Amino acid sequence: EPEVTQTPSHQVTQMGQEVILRCVPISNHLYFYWYRQILGQKVEFLVSFYNNEISEKSEIFDDQFSVERPDGSNFTLKIRSTKLEDSAMYFCASSEVGGRDYEQYFGPGTRLTVT
Amino acid sequence: SQKIEQNSEALNIQEGKTATLTCNYTNYSPAYLQWYRQDPGRGPVFLLLIRENEKEKRKERLKVTFDTTLKQSLFHITASQPADSATYLCALLPYNQGGKLIFGQGTELSVKP
Repeated sequence: EPEVTQTPSHQVTQMGQEVILRCVPISNHLYFYWYRQILGQKVEFLVSFYNNEISEKSEIFDDQFSVERPDGSNFTLKIRSTKLEDSAMYFCASSEVGGRDYEQYFGPGTRLTVT
Repeated sequence: SQKIEQNSEALNIQEGKTATLTCNYTNYSPAYLQWYRQDPGRGPVFLLLIRENEKEKRKERLKVTFDTTLKQSLFHITASQPADSATYLCALLPYNQGGKLIFGQGTELSVKP
């Protein structure tokens, strides 16, 4: 069964450093998403992406964040200058079609620890 | 303000019984609602979706109801098994927001043998 994959599974970085989290969505999916979950808290939407453009972003997704689909398979989230409060689990998701009738398939997550 | 709330207390039930989880929302209308399962350290896994004009949806041992007047969804697992132990998340999908899922905080279910 196709699945979303994410690398690395765990990333430790120092405050102020740049990190890039990588995702490979399911191959025939067209809509891509990033969510994060701070330990013990809700899963929070960050951004959705379609046709090489951001469709929607949350207040969390400020200028420090960017997303890119550099080739036909990868989808990346970059945090330019990490803060302690960026420590969280980051989930990539994809869906076949954008819309409310379609489930989102989540990856296993990248645990980001900022020290 | 907009809210989506689930029972914050863990639900402990005996194997074979029916588990019922609640999801309430305010100031989202109309809405589609999805239910996901999350195991510790893992990503959410889609279970069921119910549309605003549907009252009930079933899939195997799972049943979801949706009352748009009460702004509430109930999620039932019948004949529960220890393998059903996990956190269950409800998520709203509002109109025209780029597929943005808005999650509740989840309810942890523990099924004892």
